[in-house]
Amino acid sequence: NAGVMQNPRHLVRRRGQEARLRCSPMKGHSHVYWYRQLPEEGLKFMVYLQKENIIDESGMPKERFSAEFPKEGPSILRIQQVVRGDSAAYFCASSPLGFYEQYFGPGTRLTVT
Amino acid sequence: QKEVEQDPGPLSVPEGAIVSLNCTYSNSAFQYFMWYRQYSRKGPELLMYTYSSGNKEDGRFTAQVDKSSKYISLFIRDSQPSDSATYLCAMSVDSGNTPLVFGKGTRLSVIA
Repeated sequence: NAGVMQNPRHLVRRRGQEARLRCSPMKGHSHVYWYRQLPEEGLKFMVYLQKENIIDESGMPKERFSAEFPKEGPSILRIQQVVRGDSAAYFCASSPLGFYEQYFGPGTRLTVT
Repeated sequence: QKEVEQDPGPLSVPEGAIVSLNCTYSNSAFQYFMWYRQYSRKGPELLMYTYSSGNKEDGRFTAQVDKSSKYISLFIRDSQPSDSATYLCAMSVDSGNTPLVFGKGTRLSVIA
């Protein structure tokens, strides 16, 4: 049973470029969450999605960040016009319907130069 | 006051020791509690999850929740060098699909 998959594992972008992070949930899981982990900080919630719906984006910065989880394919977290402060590890988690436990992927480490 | 407080450590113990990791929280609405283990540059791995107050045991790991004190603990018996990692507590207010609120994590080193 494959776990949560994220790609790329490492992403380097120059300031002003766009970053696209992908997440495929575990088989049978219909709920996806994105978290960001800054150095020496805990995981911070960003956005929660179901297929074709954003359920809660209260942790998402208002500008430059967006997320989607289409009917087919992975969930995508998009960061436009990246700045150095966006450098962090971005983790995706998934859970089945009605369960509070979340299972995490290996993360994408974004470096903005 | 942060919603979830966790001593960042680092905590260093000899192999075989009993380890106690703790979190306190301020939001009395939290009902569901989890512990994750995160190795360096890896994703968090779910170790234990429990609902409301009480104890839950799984092998060498015991999770304890005291809602009256807003305090949760993870005990590791017979600690091994392979237990060296960062341990994150997490909690949520709802039994369904809701975002988790994490502590900053405690870095543990078990010395052989």
